[in-house]
Amino acid sequence: AQKITQTQPGMFVQEKEAVTLDCTYDTSDQSYGLFWYKQPSSGEMIFLIYQGSYDEQNATEGRYSLNFQKARKSANLVISASQLGDSAMYFCAMREGRNAGNMLTFGGGTRLMVKP
Amino acid sequence: GAVVSQHPSRVICKSGTSVKIECRSLDFQATTMFWYRQFPKQSLMLMATSNEGSKATYEQGVEKDKFLINHASLTLSTLTVTSAHPEDSSFYICSARDLINKAGYTFGSGTRLTVV
Repeated sequence: AQKITQTQPGMFVQEKEAVTLDCTYDTSDQSYGLFWYKQPSSGEMIFLIYQGSYDEQNATEGRYSLNFQKARKSANLVISASQLGDSAMYFCAMREGRNAGNMLTFGGGTRLMVKP
Repeated sequence: GAVVSQHPSRVICKSGTSVKIECRSLDFQATTMFWYRQFPKQSLMLMATSNEGSKATYEQGVEKDKFLINHASLTLSTLTVTSAHPEDSSFYICSARDLINKAGYTFGSGTRLTVV
């Protein structure tokens, strides 16, 4: 079974509007971390936001917020006031367990295109 | 903040030759480094996890004799693609476990390998 599922291969959003990128995950661990990264065409991975499984509040970082619904195992990324520069690939990722060495597992990604 | 320098950013090599990719942590000690491969329009797939001073752990399906990983120091990990073939053409990116900041992981800028 896929550990991280992103069901939207591509999304369009109008500039200045908000957009939600979906992410569901699968783990039996009680302690885990969820991440969102942005990957522009240059290929670099830009960290956006992190949510720990024990965090009671939804994470927010500027225009990014994470809608964490633990019972549903979903961790959707909300981008408010979209900008043209937000056009990129977005990846949801998960780290399982408390071990500092644990790797990130990535979802398939969503390509976001912001229309002027 | 933590920086991982990855070189080269782009390389073209002939079939049958070997290519070495370096990832260097500039301002922190990277005890664990992860190597990912990303084919066009796909997600990042973990190839191997390397810990300083020990043998790398390879993911299923990744040939350890073809993708040689060395993590001889706390600031340098290398991936050598031996006897490269056109099907090895891909984007390779490293990531170091970074306990200093919220991101938790610091990525290199990636290496685009083309085998002709």
